[in-house]
Amino acid sequence: DIQMTQSPSSLSASVGDRVTITCRASQSVSSYLNWYQQKPGKAPKFLIYAASSLQSGVPSRFSGSGSGTEFSLTITSLQPEDFATYYCQQSYSNPYTFGQGTKLEI
Amino acid sequence: EVQLLESGGSLIQPGGSLRLSCEASGFTFRSYAMTWVRQTPGKGLEWVSTISGSATSTYYADSVKGRFTISRDKSKNTLYLQMNSLRAEDTAVYYCAKDRASGLVATFDYWGQGTLVTVSS
Repeated sequence: DIQMTQSPSSLSASVGDRVTITCRASQSVSSYLNWYQQKPGKAPKFLIYAASSLQSGVPSRFSGSGSGTEFSLTITSLQPEDFATYYCQQSYSNPYTFGQGTKLEI
Repeated sequence: EVQLLESGGSLIQPGGSLRLSCEASGFTFRSYAMTWVRQTPGKGLEWVSTISGSATSTYYADSVKGRFTISRDKSKNTLYLQMNSLRAEDTAVYYCAKDRASGLVATFDYWGQGTLVTVSS
């Protein structure tokens, strides 16, 4: 199984900040890497697919990069609604594993 | 508008059975693979099972293989998860999710609201 490891596990930031979350795969997943945002009590929301492609309707302050085993999610100019938990997920091979999550807090 | 509505979660004793349903609307159900993902506080998000749009292919996590069965009914636009021999570690919120593109891409663009399964005596 491919293990996905996110860092940091939690992150404190302020409105207007730029933050970056890292996701590492235990083996190459090429660009088959997706990002989700989850708020308490809600289902995950799809943000980015294929490492860097923004899902329709997602604000352009979100961006993704990377390939192989190292990936990152960057949020520029944090907004109050961005404080949530973020997960990466590999869609390269079954089982389709998720990272453990990064909680972005004020 | 894509909507996924899960139901069927409840409190169940260890060893029991339960069937979850996910009613889909707003898209051509038969064209997309569908997936169940579960979430526990301790283990985060865990992929459980996927079924192709045609229902000819199914995939399972090792943790549920042989106990859970995924299926779909195209006439009812509904996805199912039959869960047998339930264990305490199956306790979780179960989400159904739609694949982003036709074929099987394991990229989940829409999620239901989740249904809670609690396995306890």
